[in-house]
Amino acid sequence: DAGVTQSPTHLIKTRGQQVTLRCSPKSGHDTVSWYQQALGQGPQFIFQYYEEEERQRGNFPDRFSGHQFPNYSSELNVNALLLGDSALYLCASSLGQVNQPQHFGDGTRLSIL
Amino acid sequence: DAKTTQPTSMDCAEGRAANLPCNHSTISGNEYVYWYRQIHSQGPQYIIHGLKNNETNEMASLIITEDRKSSTLILPHATLRDTAVYYCIVRAIKAAGNKLTFGGGTRVLVKP
Repeated sequence: DAGVTQSPTHLIKTRGQQVTLRCSPKSGHDTVSWYQQALGQGPQFIFQYYEEEERQRGNFPDRFSGHQFPNYSSELNVNALLLGDSALYLCASSLGQVNQPQHFGDGTRLSIL
Repeated sequence: DAKTTQPTSMDCAEGRAANLPCNHSTISGNEYVYWYRQIHSQGPQYIIHGLKNNETNEMASLIITEDRKSSTLILPHATLRDTAVYYCIVRAIKAAGNKLTFGGGTRVLVKP
């Protein structure tokens, strides 16, 4: 039973470019959350998708957007990349029920030059 | 969600029990205590969670005080592979899939 998978594992972009990161949830999970983790800090919540809609959003600008597909997989898009967007981007999936733990992938390491 | 306070770092001896404290003095009645850990270069790994009763699984035990203002994660026999950052998180019982709010966590180093 595959866990949460993310692609790519590493990515290098330059300032001003756009990037798309992908996430496949754990089998049976229908909710996907995205987190940004800067070096030496804990993950920060970006947003969450359920039933193909954004259900919750953290304190991130509109440059960060996402999408969830009918098969529950998800994409995170970041436009107009800044140097400060360099981070580990984590995807977590869970069941759409209360009190269900989120399970994380190993993330995509994004470096902005 | 209530905030949590954890020690910045702690060392543990291999083979001994590791006791990781967490304070959550502002926790409300509808909030669970969750523990995750993050080993270097990996995503956070779910360990255990609880509401008010003590919980145990194959990874760890969670002891929550009667007033629910603090808790302790116990790794019964620490191994070198338990070296990681451990996060204590308080999460509300709401509609499905509520977000996780991570703090700085406790950096645990298991020594031989």
